[in-house]
Amino acid sequence: QSALTQPASVSGSPGQSITISCTGTSSDVGGYNYVSWYQQHPGKAPKLMIYDVSNRPSGVSNRFSGSKSGNTASLTISGLQAEDEADYYCSSYTGSFLFGTGTKVTVL
Amino acid sequence: QVQLVQSGAEVKKPGASVKVSCKASGYPFTRYFMHWVRQAPGQGLEWMGIINPSGGSTSYAQKFQGRVTMTRDTSTSTVYMELSSLRSDDTAVYYCTSGCSGGRCYPDYWGQGTLVTVSS
Repeated sequence: QSALTQPASVSGSPGQSITISCTGTSSDVGGYNYVSWYQQHPGKAPKLMIYDVSNRPSGVSNRFSGSKSGNTASLTISGLQAEDEADYYCSSYTGSFLFGTGTKVTVL
Repeated sequence: QVQLVQSGAEVKKPGASVKVSCKASGYPFTRYFMHWVRQAPGQGLEWMGIINPSGGSTSYAQKFQGRVTMTRDTSTSTVYMELSSLRSDDTAVYYCTSGCSGGRCYPDYWGQGTLVTVSS
């Protein structure tokens, strides 16, 4: 299985909204609502931000939201803050995890 | 609180094996499955497999079949991941991750990571 496709980088100014896409196939992203998103700061372990396409774990800011259309899932960060600067990975969890290629978010 | 504490960094020669441990605390050890995920330097995340601490059953990513073995010791609440026939491209940070968010039980607790360096 090939990794899910994400843009290498996305940037935005503080307060703006940005969206990260995650493209797979009908066998993974498109076939099931088992998409999750992870945030990873440099040198740190990943953190679960979204699961089942659009659900937030307890403690995750409501500035993070997820959606899906066809074979593409999206993570939107609204009210961008400096602390949101990190790498973001999508994944499809269908018995095994298939991760995306990762997106570096830069806050200008 | 839930903690996953991994063993320290390792340096191995090509062809050798490495065994990384992950000690869980703060919850009943057999409650959550444990996954292993690795990340090569500057690269993305890669899922390696999963172990059920309750019965010890495992499922490995096809890429690692035959080279990876995951085991557990319920007496010490520790899970182990052993990778054999190491190559230079196995150099990576290895993470254990467990927990349960949502009905599908997405893991939401992570160990601190263990750097394994494979070099002659």
